[in-house]
Amino acid sequence: DVKVTQSSRYLVKRTGEKVFLECVQDMDHENMFWYRQDPGLGLRLIYFSYDVKMKEKGDIPEGYSVSREKKERFSLILESASTNQTSMYLCASSLWARENQPQHFGDGTRLSIL
Amino acid sequence: AQKVTQAQTEISVVEKEDVTLDCVYETRDTTYYLFWYKQPPSGELVFLIRRNSFDEQNEISGRYSWNFQKSTSSFNFTITASQVVDSAVYFCALSEARETSGSRLTFGEGTQLTVNP
Repeated sequence: DVKVTQSSRYLVKRTGEKVFLECVQDMDHENMFWYRQDPGLGLRLIYFSYDVKMKEKGDIPEGYSVSREKKERFSLILESASTNQTSMYLCASSLWARENQPQHFGDGTRLSIL
Repeated sequence: AQKVTQAQTEISVVEKEDVTLDCVYETRDTTYYLFWYKQPPSGELVFLIRRNSFDEQNEISGRYSWNFQKSTSSFNFTITASQVVDSAVYFCALSEARETSGSRLTFGEGTQLTVNP
């Protein structure tokens, strides 16, 4: 079974702090994704990566950056946290193939910015 | 641009009732994939089904069934004889077929299903 592990379930930070959210997958997947989930808005893609050191912006990249130095690890960085970044953050991974493969999700990190 | 609409924000049923969750999508691609995910209260999204745009056959898996209709751009999900454990948020999602890089998903807003005993 694919395991996607997010470093924290709950996190509380202060406005202006630099925040790191870590995600690790154990199935050698090429693709990794970061989403945020807000009530009434579903999941929105922040960034994704299809290879080490490669990244692409999703639908809402402003205020975020990412890092993928190793295939199994994909980090989301809030450069200067703001209260409107309080949300549930979900990491996912998938195998790359012509037939789009399902994404496998972590348990999520509920981030509160005070 | 792609879009997925789940018009039902919340549905509440009594155990053993059948329930259908609606999903309507928009895309300009001719090749695409549709997915359903379940998010129980624990938070992790669980993959339920994937369908590609060339396969309009309906699918049944136990109490779950899916109706894909390209003519109406819909991919509806029916749970037969619902159970309390079916209570969750259900997401419909769409992905484009990309040749060179990973597939990104566009999610609907989600439908909160509550099954009461």
